[in-house]
Amino acid sequence: GESVGLHLPTLSVQEGDNSIINCAYSNSASDYFIWYKQESGKGPQFIIDIRSNMDKRQGQRVTVLLNKTVKHLSLQIAATQPGDSAVYFCAALAGTALIFGKGTTLSVSS
Amino acid sequence: GAVVSQHPSWVICKSGTSVKIECRSLDFQATTMFWYRQFPKQSLMLMATSNEGSKATYEQGVEKDKFLINHASLTLSTLTVTSAHPEDSSFYICSARGGGVRVTEAFFGQGTRLTVV
Repeated sequence: GESVGLHLPTLSVQEGDNSIINCAYSNSASDYFIWYKQESGKGPQFIIDIRSNMDKRQGQRVTVLLNKTVKHLSLQIAATQPGDSAVYFCAALAGTALIFGKGTTLSVSS
Repeated sequence: GAVVSQHPSWVICKSGTSVKIECRSLDFQATTMFWYRQFPKQSLMLMATSNEGSKATYEQGVEKDKFLINHASLTLSTLTVTSAHPEDSSFYICSARGGGVRVTEAFFGQGTRLTVV
C-alpha cells in the first residue's frame, strides 16, 4: 500500500522568507500528488497538484517539485505571509482515494 | 469551486449513544464520497469510500458495524457512529467527488468535531 510521510513536523519562518515543506512517499506506482493546507478546526484546502509525468508545477506563490527517483516531493511557498500559517499535508492517490502524509505545521512570525 | 457541507460542525454526545454526521454536495452530484478521521495533531486517516447506491468500502481496521455509512443519493452521505465511546472522539471529515471530474475536484467538508463524554 501507499504510505506518505513528511520530514519535519514543524517549520518556523519569518514573514517574507521562502518556505520549503518536504514529503516522501513509498509507492512508486503513485502517479498523482496534492498539497493541502489545513487551518485549525477546518477541512483541508487544495493548494496545488502534480502528476508523475511532471517534475515541477507552479501556482500563485507556490511551487511543487517532484523527484520520482527518490520518491520525494516538496512545496515551496514564496514570500511567506502570516496567513500561510497552517498545517500542510501532502497526499498521494492510491486507487481512488487520497492517502495523506503526517503534516507539517508552518508558523510564520511577523 | 464546488461546496461540500458537513453537519453538524460540532457535537457532544453521551457514551453509548449514536451520532449521525451528514455530508452534502451542494452544487454537484457526488458519485463518490470519502470519510476521514483525524486525531489532534495527526493526519487524516481514510476510513471508508462510498459510492452512491452501493455499500461502502472500509479500510483495514475500521469497524463497519460501528461506523455505518449510507450514500443513498448523489448529494448526501451519512456517517453514523454507533454506541459511541470516548475513544471515538475525533474530527471527522468527508470528501466528495463528482463523476467524470478530476480527482482535484474531491472537495472537502469543513469537518465535524465529535466529543463523547
